[in-house]
Amino acid sequence: EAQVTQNPRYLITVTGKKLTVTCSQNMNHEYMSWYRQDPGLGLRQIYYSMNVEVTDKGDVPEGYKVSRKEKRNFPLILESPSPNQTSLYFCASSLWGSNQPQHFGDGTRLSIL
Amino acid sequence: GDSVTQMEGPVTLSEEAFLTINCTYTATGYPSLFWYVQYPGEGLQLLLKATKADDKGSNKGFEATYRKETTSFHLEKGSVQVSDSAVYFCALSDPNFGNEKLTFGTGTRLTIIP
Repeated sequence: EAQVTQNPRYLITVTGKKLTVTCSQNMNHEYMSWYRQDPGLGLRQIYYSMNVEVTDKGDVPEGYKVSRKEKRNFPLILESPSPNQTSLYFCASSLWGSNQPQHFGDGTRLSIL
Repeated sequence: GDSVTQMEGPVTLSEEAFLTINCTYTATGYPSLFWYVQYPGEGLQLLLKATKADDKGSNKGFEATYRKETTSFHLEKGSVQVSDSAVYFCALSDPNFGNEKLTFGTGTRLTIIP
């Protein structure tokens, strides 16, 4: 089954403790991206990647890192999480770019205390 | 930069009512426009898209027409059902200048009552 898989689905942690949210797709997609969803703000893009070793900033990249060492994986790293990063996070992928239909994961709810 | 302005919600309608959710955009190039839908507890799914002016996207009874002159992409459905209750997001992609960002609106929560 074609899918985008995020882990964990839920995480409660404390300020400053490094965490990684994994994202994997099995559709051989070139384009992958991360979003955060906050009430009243909709979805905002954090980072995107056009291909292996190619990443670029979205609209809200501060406090986040990403890497794209393999085509199928695009982890989101919070090196020193803060409470303002408490949010619902989505990973998505598409065949080759932002103007292609995006396939979304089911989301990861992060709470930073 | 690019932006999407979406109708504020929430929107509550009775079953079989006519639906319009407004979406306007600002872009430097010639963007592609999308409507995505998010059902409770799930990720977003593509509902429909349009890639150039005057294109009409349609799916599951929903329609939206790309209007360049009014920079709009309003979502419509003639007769809504309870199963259409969800959050709807308008989005744009404007890759013509090497920028592969995807910009979303704030979302409109739609509730249909029987």
